[in-house]
Amino acid sequence: AQSVSQHNHHVILSEAASLELGCNYSYGGTVNLFWYVQYPGQHLQLLLKYFSGDPLVKGIKGFEAEFIKSKFSFNLRKPSVQWSDTAEYFCAASSTGGSYIPTFGRGTSLIVHP
Amino acid sequence: GAGVSQSPSNKVTEKGKDVELRCDPISGHTALYWYRQSLGQGLEFLIYFQGNSAPDKSGLPSDRFSAERTGGSVSTLTIQRTQQEDSAVYLCASSLQTGGAFFGQGTRLTVV
Repeated sequence: AQSVSQHNHHVILSEAASLELGCNYSYGGTVNLFWYVQYPGQHLQLLLKYFSGDPLVKGIKGFEAEFIKSKFSFNLRKPSVQWSDTAEYFCAASSTGGSYIPTFGRGTSLIVHP
Repeated sequence: GAGVSQSPSNKVTEKGKDVELRCDPISGHTALYWYRQSLGQGLEFLIYFQGNSAPDKSGLPSDRFSAERTGGSVSTLTIQRTQQEDSAVYLCASSLQTGGAFFGQGTRLTVV
């Protein structure tokens, strides 16, 4: 069955610390990969996506993610977090053929202390 | 409109009543998804519409749940005989066929 796993459920960092959130997927065939962010009281927003090509994807607000096919991973990174990055982060995957329905991980709650 | 619009934003209903949740997707988006998000849980897929194709209903948790999409645009999710375990935030999203999904603000449903 298709699934997405996020290893860290809660992460607490101080401002300027580096961030890496893990995401692994289990899918047959090729996949599209996404990271979404949900700021407190706001709706889910797309941070970045990978469809094909360069496995290092850059998104908004200084975030990036690297697709490592051999590890079935798509980890999210940011070199220096800010208090405003406090949010819930969701990794998602969908098949490149068929229905394209994204499957989401359970999310990682990130709290950044000023 | 500029984004995905959902209504109502909040709904409190009594156990056993029926509710209808509405989603107005981004104009031109052929794909429409319903998910629900419970406290501390990820997003649970409910149903998917793509153009004029038959919807993928594989995520609907019971036959009390149904959805339709009229004219390839607005969608309504109906929950009949609501139960307390139906309490959640119901999220609608739309996308071009292969793009990332854009989400609405959600409808917070509370069954009392």
